Amino acid sequence: TAGITQAPTSQILAAGRSMTLRCTQDMRHNAMYWYRQDLGLGLRLIHYSNTAGTTGKGEVPDGYSVSRANTDDFPLTLASAVPSQTSVYFCASSSEGGNYEQFFGPGTRLTVL
Amino acid sequence: GQNIDQPTEMTATEGAIVQINCTYQTSGFNGLFWYQQHAGEAPTFLSYNVLDGLEEKGRFSSFLSRSKGYSYLLLKELQMKDSASYLCAAMDSNYQLIWGAGTKLIIKP
Repeated sequence: TAGITQAPTSQILAAGRSMTLRCTQDMRHNAMYWYRQDLGLGLRLIHYSNTAGTTGKGEVPDGYSVSRANTDDFPLTLASAVPSQTSVYFCASSSEGGNYEQFFGPGTRLTVL
Repeated sequence: GQNIDQPTEMTATEGAIVQINCTYQTSGFNGLFWYQQHAGEAPTFLSYNVLDGLEEKGRFSSFLSRSKGYSYLLLKELQMKDSASYLCAAMDSNYQLIWGAGTKLIIKP
């Protein structure tokens, strides 16, 4: 069972370029999340989706957009990357939104120059 | 504001016991999670507490005091593979997780 996968594993991106980070889960989980993790800081929620067709903003949504066309996929798009978006990005899912265990993907390491 | 505090780094000896503390302040409360994260890897779930008291799961136990806004993770019979960061996260009234920066645990032989 794959669980939750992310692509690419790592990427170097020029400032001003756009990029989509992909996330796919095969657990039929309703809720999905995007976090960024920066050294010395806790994971910070960017966007979330409690069910297919709905999305919501987290703590740090500016500069990012998401879509949830189906249950399995939850892509994160950076429309015009800036160096402050250099981070490790984790996608996660849980069976439902709420106080359920979240399962994390392996992460995407993004460097914006 | 919302805040999670936990020590940045701790060192312990193989075979010993270590307690990692976490204090939290959130808008509402819907439970306290602990995750383990090895370097370069994704976080993995360890425990969830929503009621006061101790939850034991093998070598790991987690405690919660809601009145004090306090939790700890207790690791017994430490093994070298327990070297990792331990992340404390509290769920607020909107069911969003507020994460601490993590405690890096170093195990020495």
